Amino acid sequence: SQTIHQWPATLVQPVGSPLSLECTVEGTSNPNLYWYRQAAGRGLQLLFYSVGIGQISSEVPQNLSASRPQDRQFILSSKKLLLSDSGFYLCAWSPGGSEQYFGPGTRLTVT
Amino acid sequence: EDQVTQSPEALRLQEGESSSLNCSYTVSGLRGLFWYRQDPGKGPEFLFTLYSAGEEKEKERLKATLTKKESFLHITAPKPEDSATYLCAVYPVLSGGYNKLIFGAGTRLAVHP
Repeated sequence: SQTIHQWPATLVQPVGSPLSLECTVEGTSNPNLYWYRQAAGRGLQLLFYSVGIGQISSEVPQNLSASRPQDRQFILSSKKLLLSDSGFYLCAWSPGGSEQYFGPGTRLTVT
Repeated sequence: EDQVTQSPEALRLQEGESSSLNCSYTVSGLRGLFWYRQDPGKGPEFLFTLYSAGEEKEKERLKATLTKKESFLHITAPKPEDSATYLCAVYPVLSGGYNKLIFGAGTRLAVHP
């Protein structure tokens, strides 16, 4: 069966510090991968998606970037965090053309 | 513009009091509609996929239905453990093969004993 991992689970970072969130998927190959941000009481905002190694598409201009160095690894980064980057970050995978499966999420607080 | 609207925003039920959650959508064409359950502080958990009008799916006390403009999540005789936020998402035709989903804001369900 497939499993998706995210770490860290929670993170508190000062404004201006760098960020690296990691997501890995087990039990599948060549998945579509996604990063979302969820603000309190709001829907999920798609940030990035990837259909293969090194192939990243960005949905919204922002302070964040994403990379996919391996088939089942997806990384969300920032060089300098802003207060507005606080939120709940979710990684998801899909076999393509169907439902997405989500990881447990990372709660990021920028202080 | 593709859009998903869920109502109500919040719903409080007594245990055993059946009700329905609504998901209205506007898309150029629908590849699929998905329902998820999300507990506080956790990632969404996949519940159902619906592909065409008239389709129904069931799981325990939940039943999802689909029409050309909306989907309903019916909850029969709910229990306190059904308390969660329920998210609806659509997969528009124009999103290509990347299944970029469009999510609604969710309905927060609280079931009290």
